[in-house]
Amino acid sequence: GDSVTQMEGPVTLSEEAFLTINCTYTATGYPSLFWYVQYPGEGLQLLLKATKADDKGSNKGFEATYRKETTSFHLEKGSVQVSDSAVYFCALSGLQGAQKLVFGQGTRLTINP
Amino acid sequence: DVKVTQSSRYLVKRTGEKVFLECVQDMDHENMFWYRQDPGLGLRLIYFSYDVKMKEKGDIPEGYSVSREKKERFSLILESASTNQTSMYLCASSLGTGRGKLFFGSGTQLSVL
Repeated sequence: GDSVTQMEGPVTLSEEAFLTINCTYTATGYPSLFWYVQYPGEGLQLLLKATKADDKGSNKGFEATYRKETTSFHLEKGSVQVSDSAVYFCALSGLQGAQKLVFGQGTRLTINP
Repeated sequence: DVKVTQSSRYLVKRTGEKVFLECVQDMDHENMFWYRQDPGLGLRLIYFSYDVKMKEKGDIPEGYSVSREKKERFSLILESASTNQTSMYLCASSLGTGRGKLFFGSGTQLSVL
C-alpha cells in the first residue's frame, strides 16, 4: 500500500540556519503530495502541496519540489525562525480515495535563538 | 475560517468504559475523518465519512465505531476502552473536492487507565 517515510527527528537548529526535512514515498500512480505543520497545542494545518511531477509548492518561506524520479518531496527553508518550531508531517493522497491522506511519522523541529 | 471543534482537550477514562469523542465542523464540509496520533507512528486513519450516515473503515478501525447523523457532526466511539487506545485523537474535515486540504481540530488526548 501507499506509504510515506520522513527523516528521523527531532531536529534542532539555530535561528537563520538552512532547513531540510527529507520525505520519500511509495505509491501507485501519481499521488498528490503535502506538507502539514502542527504548532504546539494545535491541530495540523496545510503548509504546502504539489499535485504533479516537478511542481514546487511554497508557503511562508518553505518550499518542496515533487520529484517523481526519486519519489521524494523534501521540505526546505533558507533561514528558519524560532516561530518555525513545530512538528512537520509529509503526506500523500493516492488513487484510492483522493481525500484520504497517508501521513509520515512526523519530524519535530526546534529552533534555538 | 473553517473551525473544527473537538469536545474535550483532555479525557481520562477507565478500562472497559464506553467513550464518545465528538467533533463538529462549521463549514458544511462533506468529508470528515478520525485519526489517531502516536509518537513515531504519525497519523493513522481510523474511520472516515463522505456523507451523512456514510462511513468507511480506515487503516486501524478495530475497537472503534463512528456515527454521522448530521453533516456537521462526526462521533468516534470506543465501545470498551483499553489501555492501548491511549492516544491523541484528531478530527478533520474537508470539502468533497478539497484535493487533500484537510482542516483539523486541536485534538483530544485520551488516557485509558
